Amino acid sequence: EAGVAQSPRYKIIEKRQSVAFWCNPISGHATLYWYQQILGQGPKLLIQFQNNGVVDDSQLPKDRFSAERLKGVDSTLKIQPAKLEDSAVYLCASRTDSGNTIYFGEGSWLTVV
Amino acid sequence: DAKTTQPNSMESNEEEPVHLPCNHSTISGTDYIHWYRQLPSQGPEYVIHGLTSNVNNRMASLAIAEDRKSSTLILHRATLRDAAVYYCPRDNYGQNFVFGPGTRLSVLP
Repeated sequence: EAGVAQSPRYKIIEKRQSVAFWCNPISGHATLYWYQQILGQGPKLLIQFQNNGVVDDSQLPKDRFSAERLKGVDSTLKIQPAKLEDSAVYLCASRTDSGNTIYFGEGSWLTVV
Repeated sequence: DAKTTQPNSMESNEEEPVHLPCNHSTISGTDYIHWYRQLPSQGPEYVIHGLTSNVNNRMASLAIAEDRKSSTLILHRATLRDAAVYYCPRDNYGQNFVFGPGTRLSVLP
């Protein structure tokens, strides 16, 4: 079974530029998450989708971050404009409706300079 | 936003058992107890989970206190490959996980 796929793996941008990350969850997983992990900290939930609807986006900085999951499968997370403090690993994860286990991708590493 | 609490770091010798503790004092009666670990440059990976009874799988064992306010992840024989950050995230009403900073486990040869 293929895991959660993310791209790009690494990205370096200047502050005020924009960036987008893509995620393809495990086939059949209705729930998709984006987590942000700053160096030395645990992952922090940014947004949770159930199919193509948003379940929780309370910690998403909506002035600069946006995410979509238009067809209930792939998802894109965008940051515009980026700030230095957005430097982090962006982790996508997915889960089945009935499952207790969340499966994470390898993450997209963002450095804002 | 209550989180689980874990020691910041622990050290073990190779091929010795390791007991990683976690306090989850705000856990509700129906929330599962989960453990994940994160190897360098990887996303977190599932280790084990349980509700009330102790659990065993090929990776580890999970010992759950009778009052469910704490749990212990047991690696029976630590290897160098087990060096990672171990998390016991809080189960947020079965919807998602709330992670703390975890325990960084070092394994000495």
